[in-house]
Amino acid sequence: DTAVSQTPKYLVTQMGNDKSIKCEQNLGHDTMYWYKQDSKKFLKIMFSYNNKELIINETVPNRFSPKSPDKAHLNLHINSLELGDSAVYFCASSQSIWTFFGQGTRLTVV
Amino acid sequence: SQQGEEDPQALSIQEGENATMNCSYKTSINNLQWYRQNSGRGLVHLILIRSNEREKHSGRLRVTLDTSKKSSSLLITASRAADTASYFCATDGQGGSEKLVFGKGTKLTVNP
Repeated sequence: DTAVSQTPKYLVTQMGNDKSIKCEQNLGHDTMYWYKQDSKKFLKIMFSYNNKELIINETVPNRFSPKSPDKAHLNLHINSLELGDSAVYFCASSQSIWTFFGQGTRLTVV
Repeated sequence: SQQGEEDPQALSIQEGENATMNCSYKTSINNLQWYRQNSGRGLVHLILIRSNEREKHSGRLRVTLDTSKKSSSLLITASRAADTASYFCATDGQGGSEKLVFGKGTKLTVNP
């Protein structure tokens, strides 16, 4: 079973739409993250949750809203999508020294 | 699946010593990046080395890349307790549109 799974892997949508990316981890980890891979391929943290509580919230438009229904899930909801939101988004989870990444979701806004 | 494999998985050294971590990967790449993650915090980008580069320096960091062996190393010289963190390599494949792929990380502990 995949440790950190995010869906969908690819998402193409029109400007102005609202979309969600889901992330689930079956590792029992307390901490989960959302990262954005920018156009230069650098990874930047967006959010971090620990046991369903928001820990890190970097400078991200408030059109992006993470939702953690339980500690195994951290979903990313994006309202009013813009062209500049096109990127790859990674979910990750960690506990102690171990961090595992999802395979990424490539979001394309047209 | 993660194609990068860092080794060792865990490394414990004394302050002042050098730390070397290695990363191997399987497919051809455009770039290879190293990231640091402090416990409970997000990844911090350290350095990027392109596939046509063999060595790169940034402060106390030295990264090498051997594309023939599909491997990279990260050397931290004169380590400090504050260097204690997990270190990850990430690769992006050729083709331009591929996602970053991460290794499992090396946990470095620098003892004061």
